[in-house]
Amino acid sequence: SAVISQKPSRDICQRGTSLTIQCQVDSQVTMMFWYRQQPGQSLTLIATANQGSEATYESGFVIDKFPISRPNLTFSTLTVSNMSPEDSSIYLCSVSPGPNYGYTFGSGTRLTVV
Amino acid sequence: DQQVKQNSPSLSVQEGRISILNCDYTNSMFDYFLWYKKYPAEGPTFLISISSIKDKNEDGRFTVFLNKSAKHLSLHIVPSQPGDSAVYFCAAAPPWETSGSRLTFGEGTQLTVNP
Repeated sequence: SAVISQKPSRDICQRGTSLTIQCQVDSQVTMMFWYRQQPGQSLTLIATANQGSEATYESGFVIDKFPISRPNLTFSTLTVSNMSPEDSSIYLCSVSPGPNYGYTFGSGTRLTVV
Repeated sequence: DQQVKQNSPSLSVQEGRISILNCDYTNSMFDYFLWYKKYPAEGPTFLISISSIKDKNEDGRFTVFLNKSAKHLSLHIVPSQPGDSAVYFCAAAPPWETSGSRLTFGEGTQLTVNP
């Protein structure tokens, strides 16, 4: 299965600033997903990122707040913009090489906004 | 609308006994189901999966059962070990050709295995 390197692993940020999270995959994958896990809750899909096209956002998430880049088949970034304390969560990227291959997750970025 | 539900937020079992974690889903389009284990400060780790064409899949100490008519799946861990203590998430996906088969997660069950 793919190996994902996610950075940073954690950060404490001031409100109003932005943080960019990076995910590097050791193999080429078509589908890359970004999730959020708020404290005590399940994982919620933010968006699906395909190389060469605009990311597809889930209900409740917008590009201005969570811009995503997917410049190639092994790399993606998620930016959390204009942060507020409500954005304090764990953010995870995930990839899947194809149907029924399962999904691999990065180690997550624990974000605290103060 | 919570399409995947894990009704037990926590479960405590003795080492060596069976752990049974349950999950229910409502979306009949789901055809692929997965269980993940998550330790604090780490990303979820894939455990086992099952396709809707099967009703059972086994991998070592882990067995997943799928009851499509009841829209219910369960994860059995036998024998349970203290290292199994973690949060377990079930997840479901529609066919790959629909929306890239993104996962919908349950709320998670905290399993504690006591020595």
